Amino acid sequence: QQQVKQSPQSLIVQKGGISIINCAYENTAFDYFPWYQQFPGKGPALLIAIRPDVSEKKEGRFTISFNKSAKQFSLHIMDSQPGDSATYFCAASIGYSSASKIIFGSGTRLSIRP
Amino acid sequence: SAVISQKPSRDICQRGTSLTIQCQVDSQVTMMFWYRQQPGQSLTLIATANQGSEATYESGFVIDKFPISRPNLTFSTLTVSNMSPEDSSIYLCSVLDGGDGYTFGSGTRLTVV
Repeated sequence: QQQVKQSPQSLIVQKGGISIINCAYENTAFDYFPWYQQFPGKGPALLIAIRPDVSEKKEGRFTISFNKSAKQFSLHIMDSQPGDSATYFCAASIGYSSASKIIFGSGTRLSIRP
Repeated sequence: SAVISQKPSRDICQRGTSLTIQCQVDSQVTMMFWYRQQPGQSLTLIATANQGSEATYESGFVIDKFPISRPNLTFSTLTVSNMSPEDSSIYLCSVLDGGDGYTFGSGTRLTVV
């Protein structure tokens, strides 16, 4: 019940296309859903996050869509660029504090073809 | 946002030896977190290090194997003891960085031969 299931494992998208990564969770107590971006040789960096009181959050080319009833959320990258090529992790936690244990999805390796 | 310096960035170690990884944060933080990321895998929390108290370990991780020190509010170390090839991973430290979510160090890529 603590798992966050992420798909696909890898994704290849043409430059300018839309990249879509999906995640699902079971624990309805989760109330903070961040996405992290990791480049090779670097630690993950927060990309965008959402709470379940909204169904969508957009920051530039990155959008999180959240479906509370289905317990699913997804990351959409519009106009995908080669610089977006990285590994993306969805995550979930109960609350947002140092006491909140964050659970990461398995990751999606995204490659944007020029 | 917080800046985390992690050392070493990579190391190749012999089986049976130990490696201590250092994590320095440029601001004072209550808790520091240590993660393991096995090749091509997700991040797994090893333990939470709170200054002035014993670290709290997650299921599957024990203090004898992964002793942690937290001498002050800006520094922590993780030791990987009696290493085996199965310990080959990236080890990351992290802090909760206010509204910026969790900030991670660049990681230590450990190879055990």
